[in-house]
Amino acid sequence: AQRVTQPEKLLSVFKGAPVELKCNYSYSGSPELFWYVQYSRQRLQLLLRHISRESIKGFTADLNKGETSFHLKKPFAQEEDSAMYYCALSGWETSGSRLTFGEGTQLTVNP
Amino acid sequence: NAGVTQTPKFQVLKTGQSMTLQCAQDMNHEYMSWYRQDPGMGLRLIHYSVGAGITDQGEVPNGYNVSRSTTEDFPLRLLSAAPSQTSVYFCASSSGLAAYEQYFGPGTRLTVT
Repeated sequence: AQRVTQPEKLLSVFKGAPVELKCNYSYSGSPELFWYVQYSRQRLQLLLRHISRESIKGFTADLNKGETSFHLKKPFAQEEDSAMYYCALSGWETSGSRLTFGEGTQLTVNP
Repeated sequence: NAGVTQTPKFQVLKTGQSMTLQCAQDMNHEYMSWYRQDPGMGLRLIHYSVGAGITDQGEVPNGYNVSRSTTEDFPLRLLSAAPSQTSVYFCASSSGLAAYEQYFGPGTRLTVT
């Protein structure tokens, strides 16, 4: 079974400080990992995916297969980064493909 | 493109009532899914479909039914609403047959009293 864990429900940092949102996963196969973000009163949207190795809005995430982690990082947080962040894993179960989400981390960036 | 649309935005039901949450997408996506979002629990998969006429259960399917008669539409039916089904419901779709990058609807906030 595939599982995603985000150990921090709430994370609060000051503007300009580095931020790291933790994500650990459990999956027997080769995972596809994503970060989704939900800004206030907006729909959930894809932030980035590990396979593209891109930086979006200053955020990066590196897949560490040895530690089964996919932490999201940004060197200098901005107030507009305040949102709910979900880590997600796309994998195959016996019944088919599914996207499994972590519990989410509410990030607040204080001025 | 409108993307993924959901109706209604808000709904209040009494225990035992039934209703259908509507979901439609205009991107010709094969894969569609329903999630519920509860505080501290993230998004949990209810049902999903890999194409018209094909549906399967997710993590929390009890109390919900789905059907997929067309590529565009994927309604979620609550058979007999219970207070435990109070939640925000999201529909999502993705191209291909895998749950890869998903596009989400705006959500339906359901309260069951």
